[in-house]
Amino acid sequence: AQSVTQLDSQVPVFEEAPVELRCNYSSSVSVYLFWYVQYPNQGLQLLLKYLSGSTLVESINGFEAEFNKSQTSFHLRKPSVHISDTAEYFCPRTSTSYGKLTFGQGTILTVHP
Amino acid sequence: ETGVTQTPRHLVMGMTNKKSLKCEQHLGHNAMYWYKQSAKKPLELMFVYNFKEQTENNSVPSRFSPECPNSSHLFLHLHTLQPEDSALYLCASSQLLQGNTEAFFGQGTRLTVV
Repeated sequence: AQSVTQLDSQVPVFEEAPVELRCNYSSSVSVYLFWYVQYPNQGLQLLLKYLSGSTLVESINGFEAEFNKSQTSFHLRKPSVHISDTAEYFCPRTSTSYGKLTFGQGTILTVHP
Repeated sequence: ETGVTQTPRHLVMGMTNKKSLKCEQHLGHNAMYWYKQSAKKPLELMFVYNFKEQTENNSVPSRFSPECPNSSHLFLHLHTLQPEDSALYLCASSQLLQGNTEAFFGQGTRLTVV
């Protein structure tokens, strides 16, 4: 069965520091990859996605992720975080046309002043 | 506004009550989903509807009963729930058959079973 592993359950960082949230998959075959963010008491919002083509994808708010097929990873990075980036982050995958997403445990990013 | 609206946002119900969660999407999508988000557990897919037809029931107990009357609306009928069913229930939608399986989520219904 396909699986997703988010290697860190919590990541505390200081404001303006760089951050990397790690995500690994059980298989890289025919895979669609996503990063979603969930703010407190909210639903999930799409940050960025990899469907095909360039393995480096960027979001509008400074995040980027790179699909590494050999390591089956899709780590999320930001060079300088803000307090407002405090949230929980998820990196689900799907490999079918049904859109069914398989989730990992999530990573709580806490940005301290 | 995400285009997917869930009501109510919060619900407290007793174990003998019957209630329903509602989800509506204004995105013209053809697939809708129910997910359950419990503390310290990955999001769990509960049900999938494609073109109003249920295509997946992920071993969900029968006390949860989904209904999809049209491609824009999705309900989750609840009866005789248990305290362990307390969770955030998220509805999502997506447009299939275009190679882009991005899902749009609602804000969720926070359910507490007492």
